Amino acid sequence: DTGVSQDPRHKITKRGQNVTFRCDPISEHNRLYWYRQTLGQGPEFLTYFQNEAQLEKSRLLSDRFSAERPKGSFSTLEIQRTEQGDSAMYLCASSPGDRTTGYGYTFGSGTRLTVV
Amino acid sequence: GNSVTQMEGPVTLSEEAFLTINCTYTATGYPSLFWYVQYPGEGLQLLLKATKADDKGSNKGFEATYRKETTSFHLEKGSVQVSDSAVYFCALSDLRQGGKLIFGQGTELSVKP
Repeated sequence: DTGVSQDPRHKITKRGQNVTFRCDPISEHNRLYWYRQTLGQGPEFLTYFQNEAQLEKSRLLSDRFSAERPKGSFSTLEIQRTEQGDSAMYLCASSPGDRTTGYGYTFGSGTRLTVV
Repeated sequence: GNSVTQMEGPVTLSEEAFLTINCTYTATGYPSLFWYVQYPGEGLQLLLKATKADDKGSNKGFEATYRKETTSFHLEKGSVQVSDSAVYFCALSDLRQGGKLIFGQGTELSVKP
């Protein structure tokens, strides 16, 4: 297992276009998280899944954002009608989700989105 | 709600100097505490963690002790190296809130030879 993979690494899009990012977690991890990180800030929580169920969404996740995790495997994050304020690094992390690991997370390298 | 506050950077030190990066937290429950490191051009890596009060996390010469009485988790290293130059993030997660991580704003460390 090579860890958490995210695709693409970079995405440049025009304002108003839709974009979709993919995250492949560590296979035995049942929890998957999405975060957004802007320059000079810490990552901010967006949403998380326990297997295929989306259990929590942050207020940061406007109606233009949607995330899925079909069959509890990979996940996608779609942003519709992108705005310049959406420009950020989008991070995915997975976790075994159990107390014994202290919720040890593994992060992917992220997808950097630039909206022009 | 839960939150994490870190000392502001950037922090600039000479090689072999002592490092402290302060981190305090606010939480209603009993969170786990973490330090993550982000090297230039790379993703977030877990540096160390502590899951209960008085636990000490350690890795690569870095240490942090979970202090419930002062709600702190300060990062320390006795002798920094140029290779330690990175951004350091303090974070917490609460079992009762889905285990999501709440991060501080990050502290940039620059170590000069």
